[in-house]
Amino acid sequence: KQEVTQIPAALSVPEGENLVLNCSFTDSAIYNLQWFRQDPGKGLTSLLLIQSSQREQTSGRLNASLDKSSGRSTLYIAASQPGDSATYLCAVPYSGGGADGLTFGKGTHLIIQP
Amino acid sequence: DAGITQSPRHKVTETGTPVTLRCHQTENHRYMYWYRQDPGHGLRLIHYSYGVKDTDKGEVSDGYSVSRSKTEDFLLTLESATSSQTSVYFCAISHAHYGYTFGSGTRLTVV
Repeated sequence: KQEVTQIPAALSVPEGENLVLNCSFTDSAIYNLQWFRQDPGKGLTSLLLIQSSQREQTSGRLNASLDKSSGRSTLYIAASQPGDSATYLCAVPYSGGGADGLTFGKGTHLIIQP
Repeated sequence: DAGITQSPRHKVTETGTPVTLRCHQTENHRYMYWYRQDPGHGLRLIHYSYGVKDTDKGEVSDGYSVSRSKTEDFLLTLESATSSQTSVYFCAISHAHYGYTFGSGTRLTVV
């Protein structure tokens, strides 16, 4: 059974810092990996999708890397801002095909102090 | 939310009553999903659908049933609601190139 772990569970840093969120998964035969953001009381917003053939994806100040062989992904946030405060979730498909649902980590709760 | 609408947004119901949550999509996606989100457990898959009348169980399907009679609608039914089903319920669709997109959620309270 695929299991996803996110470290740290919570993180509080001053504004302007660069930071790294970690995600690990137990079965390396993944189709892709997706990072989401969730604001309190809201739904999930997709940040980045990395296909299994890719090593990284970038969107603005966000960069996500994928190392399938070691079962790890990192989300790098550059020059953090108070608006980045949210819970960040990592997810991979239950099985290789990718269409039978995602299994999620429990998230990293991020607070950026002004 | 990529054309995903969940209704109702909030609902309070009594133990033992039936409850149906609706997910509606406007983009003709084949795959649709129902998740629940709970503190300490995160997001867990309840059921999913891979086409009209084609559904399968997820990780936490006990106590729930689903139906999909039209491509655009995926219904989640709690036949007899229990307090343990108090949760936030999210609907999602998947796309081969863009991954998964989630609706805004339904907050269900069973009293």
